[in-house]
Amino acid sequence: KAGVTQTPRYLIKTRGQQVTLSCSPISGHRSVSWYQQTPGQGLQFLFEYFSETQRNKGNFPGRFSGRQFSNSRSEMNVSTLELGDSALYLCASSLSSGEGYGYTFGSGTRLTVV
Amino acid sequence: GNSVTQMEGPVTLSEEAFLTINCTYTATGYPSLFWYVQYPGEGLQLLLKATKADDKGSNKGFEATYRKETTSFHLEKGSVQVSDSAVYFCALKAAGNKLTFGGGTRVLVKP
Repeated sequence: KAGVTQTPRYLIKTRGQQVTLSCSPISGHRSVSWYQQTPGQGLQFLFEYFSETQRNKGNFPGRFSGRQFSNSRSEMNVSTLELGDSALYLCASSLSSGEGYGYTFGSGTRLTVV
Repeated sequence: GNSVTQMEGPVTLSEEAFLTINCTYTATGYPSLFWYVQYPGEGLQLLLKATKADDKGSNKGFEATYRKETTSFHLEKGSVQVSDSAVYFCALKAAGNKLTFGGGTRVLVKP
């Protein structure tokens, strides 16, 4: 059974550019969440999608956006990149969005903004 | 709001030593509790979980018991190996469904 696949694994972008990250969840999983991991702030929740609808959103500026497609694949977009956006971006999928369901995480996309 | 507090690391141990990582939480309602592990250069792996009070999650020799009275979910392993060296994250999931993580505890096991 394939796990959560995130592409690309590494990205280097310049300030002011935009970037799109992709996440393919485990087959059958309908809930996809995104997290940002940095040494200073730790793991912070970005947003959650379930059946193409955004169910929850963290405290990030509007430059961070996402979407989910009918096949449950998800993309995350960051516009007007800032140096502080350098981080490991983790995608996680779950069979359902209920409280008892754990998430399976991908290996992440490491974004470096220069 | 919800929060998770776990002991700061690094925790340095010798092989076969006993490991405990403390985790306490604050949450409204009755959250589910999780431990995740992150190896260098990788994403997070679910280690174990507990969904209600007094539940014990266990996996790969690790155990944690959901203690509602002390709002804790401490992780324990009786005999650690070098391969257990990683960063461990305690997390909760309450109404709203997002995971709230603690700051992580780095564990280093020396041979």
